[in-house]
Order: sequence, then structure tokens, then C-alpha cells
Amino acid sequence: DIQLTQSPSFLSASVGDRVTITCRASQGISSYLAWYQQKPGKAPKLLIYAASTLQSGVPSRFSGSGSGTEFTLTISSLQPEDFATYYCQQLNSYPFTFGGGTKVEIK
Amino acid sequence: QVQLVESGGGVAQPGGSLRLSCAASGFTFSNYGMHWVRQAPGKGLEWVAFIRYDGSDKYYADSVKGRFTISRDNSKNTLYLQVNSLRGEDTAVYYCAKRLSSGSYLDYWGQGTLVTVSS
Repeated sequence: DIQLTQSPSFLSASVGDRVTITCRASQGISSYLAWYQQKPGKAPKLLIYAASTLQSGVPSRFSGSGSGTEFTLTISSLQPEDFATYYCQQLNSYPFTFGGGTKVEIK
Repeated sequence: QVQLVESGGGVAQPGGSLRLSCAASGFTFSNYGMHWVRQAPGKGLEWVAFIRYDGSDKYYADSVKGRFTISRDNSKNTLYLQVNSLRGEDTAVYYCAKRLSSGSYLDYWGQGTLVTVSS
């Protein structure tokens, strides 16, 4: 199975900060990677798919990059509604594993 | 608009069974593959299973293979997850999710149904 390692697992940031989250795969997954945002008590929401394609309706401050084994999610200017937990997921091969998550909290 | 509504969760004893359902509306259910994902209390997301649009292929996480069965009834616009031989570590919120048209990505999710395994 493909393992995904997210870093950091926790980060504290201020409104307006640029935030970058990394996801590393244990083997190459081409660009078959998605990023999700989850707020407490809510279902996850798709932000980015195919490593860098912004899902419809998602603000342009979110962006994704990478291919192969290293990927990043960037929030260019953190907004109050962005404080949440973020997960990466690989969909290159079954089982479709998730990373452990990155919790973004207010500094 | 797309709506996915899970039901069937509850309390089950270790070794017991439940059948989870996911009622879909707002899209042509029979055209899309569907996923189940779960989340244990205070933990991260775990992908559980996927079924193709016509039910022809099914895939499972190693942790549930042989105990869980994903199925669908396209005439009823409903996805199912039969969960058998339940263990404490199966306690989680179970989400169903729709496959994006241009890839296996999960673009719409239900609100989840809680399964608690306890004696």
C-alpha cells in the first residue's frame, strides 16, 4: 500500500499568512493526488484534484503543486474560514490512502 | 443539487453486523462510482471501499477486506455497505462520497452515520 506522510501535522498561523503543507508519497503516484479541507463536525470538502486542479467554487488563494512523490498545498493569504484540518489522498492505486492530516490553527 | 444521505448507523456488539445506506439525489447515480470513507473519533480519514458505476468492480481497504461488502441498487439510487464481524476499531463516522466525473476523486460527501461497536 502507498503511504502518505503530511507535514507538519499541526501549524499555528495568523490571518494573512502564506501557508504551505507538504504531502510525501512512499512511491510515485504521478499526479493522482487530492487535497481536502475538513472543519469540526463536518464532512470533508474537495479543494484540489489531480495535484493542481482547483475544484469548482474553491477560492483561488488555494493552490496545489507537485508530482511523483512530493506535493504541496499552499494557501496564499490565510482567511478566518480556512482554519481547519487538511488531508491529502492518493488515487493512483488501491487502496486509496489518506495522509494523517494537518491541523491549521489560529496563532 | 447533489445530496447524499447516510443512514443505518448505531450501536452494535463486537462480532455483530449492520447495513449502512446512502441515498443519492441531484445527479444520475447510475453514471458514477461511489466511495465509503470512515473516521474514528478524533482521528484522520480512512478510505474504506469503492464500487464502479455499474457495480462491476469493487475495491476495499485491507482492514475491512472479507468483512465489509459494498453494493449498490441503481434503481433505488442507493449505495450500501454491509459491515460484518465488527470490531472496536470499526467505531467511526462512515461517509459515502461520489466520484468526480474526471477521476476517482471524491467531490461530494454525505454528512456521515456513526457506527459504535461496544458490548
